[in-house]
Amino acid sequence: DGGITQSPKYLFRKEGQNVTLSCEQNLNHDAMYWYRQDPGQGLRLIYYSQIVNDFQKGDIAEGYSVSREKKESFPLTVTSAQKNPTAFYLCASSPMAGSDTGELFFGEGSRLTVL
Amino acid sequence: GNSVTQMEGPVTLSEEAFLTINCTYTATGYPSLFWYVQYPGEGLQLLLKATKADDKGSNKGFEATYRKETTSFHLEKGSVQVSDSAVYFCALRRRGRRALTFGSGTRLQVQP
Repeated sequence: DGGITQSPKYLFRKEGQNVTLSCEQNLNHDAMYWYRQDPGQGLRLIYYSQIVNDFQKGDIAEGYSVSREKKESFPLTVTSAQKNPTAFYLCASSPMAGSDTGELFFGEGSRLTVL
Repeated sequence: GNSVTQMEGPVTLSEEAFLTINCTYTATGYPSLFWYVQYPGEGLQLLLKATKADDKGSNKGFEATYRKETTSFHLEKGSVQVSDSAVYFCALRRRGRRALTFGSGTRLQVQP
């Protein structure tokens, strides 16, 4: 089945460690996104990428990094510079501009807890 | 800038009650508007959308009408079920931008 796969579903990290969250899609979508979800704050955009080897900062990019070496993959690294990394992270994708209905397709999320 | 404001939750209703979740937005131009739903432990799923003023989006008994004059996109359902218990997010997409701007979400709890 086509979809977006995020891993791991749960992740624990010690302070000062970097951690990478995986996001893979087999929908042949060209745009991919990372959002952070905190209780009572909704979703906030971290980074997005519209094509391979290109990405843009969202509203809360500080302390995060991404890469887009393949169309199917958009990993997110939470670095030790991120002051409050404990959150639920959601990856999403959307089709190319000509087929774009505006809908984002979401993965099931990764919950990161910093101990 | 662009922003979406939703009513705070949780909203607690009895089964078969009428549901309204308010959503208002601030945006330049004429954005597209969306409602997404998130069931416990899952990602978000598109519930409905509207792309221009006076459009009505509908799905699974839910409806929302794009009101440009009041910059609103309120979600309604005539008779809620226990299975509708979830968090509902209102979102907008500005013309020429791919990413969505989300509201803070409203948790709905439906009791039997």
